[in-house]
Amino acid sequence: GENVEQHPSTLSVQEGDSAVIKCTYSDSASNYFPWYKQELGKRPQLIIDIRSNVGEKKDQRIAVTLNKTAKHFSLHITETQPEDSAVYFCAASTRGSQGNLIFGKGTKLSVKP
Amino acid sequence: NAGVMQNPRHLVRRRGQEARLRCSPMKGHSHVYWYRQLPEEGLKFMVYLQKENIIDESGMPKERFSAEFPKEGPSILRIQQVVRGDSAAYFCASSPDASPLHFGNGTRLTVT
Repeated sequence: GENVEQHPSTLSVQEGDSAVIKCTYSDSASNYFPWYKQELGKRPQLIIDIRSNVGEKKDQRIAVTLNKTAKHFSLHITETQPEDSAVYFCAASTRGSQGNLIFGKGTKLSVKP
Repeated sequence: NAGVMQNPRHLVRRRGQEARLRCSPMKGHSHVYWYRQLPEEGLKFMVYLQKENIIDESGMPKERFSAEFPKEGPSILRIQQVVRGDSAAYFCASSPDASPLHFGNGTRLTVT
């Protein structure tokens, strides 16, 4: 079955710097890749997603890139702010957004003021 | 439009008791998913339901766990004869169709 690996497990950056989180997946049939942000004790919130027919997607300070050949996708956060501090999860699905998601283990991002 | 509503937020059960977790999807959403999150871990898929049907239960343990989504009322995740290893946060998510998932605030189950 699908397996999603996420790196790094922790990431500390200075406010204003960029942060990059990388994920790899094993099932070449995966076609949907969302990213979720989870603050301590709260629900995961979708921040951006990308489908396999697109190589890159951007929403203000957040961007996601997908390399289908290498089976990896990355989250890029520019001009980080302290409120970006949270745990970020990548996920993959073989049935688009209607299907069970396989999650990575998460990256704890700390943005230092 | 209220988000996905889960209750209770916190549930404490003794070993051997039953736990019932409830999830009311967002209005108009007929697809419900249950995920489990252990401390310091990602979410693990358990079950996917539509009204009155279990579509995919490949992530659900074969014993003690069951889920339903009746025609009327919330979706229920039931855990019978709970053990300490069942302690986790259980998240429900819903979608109207082939749309991204919206998660509820979760139920944190503690088994003593």
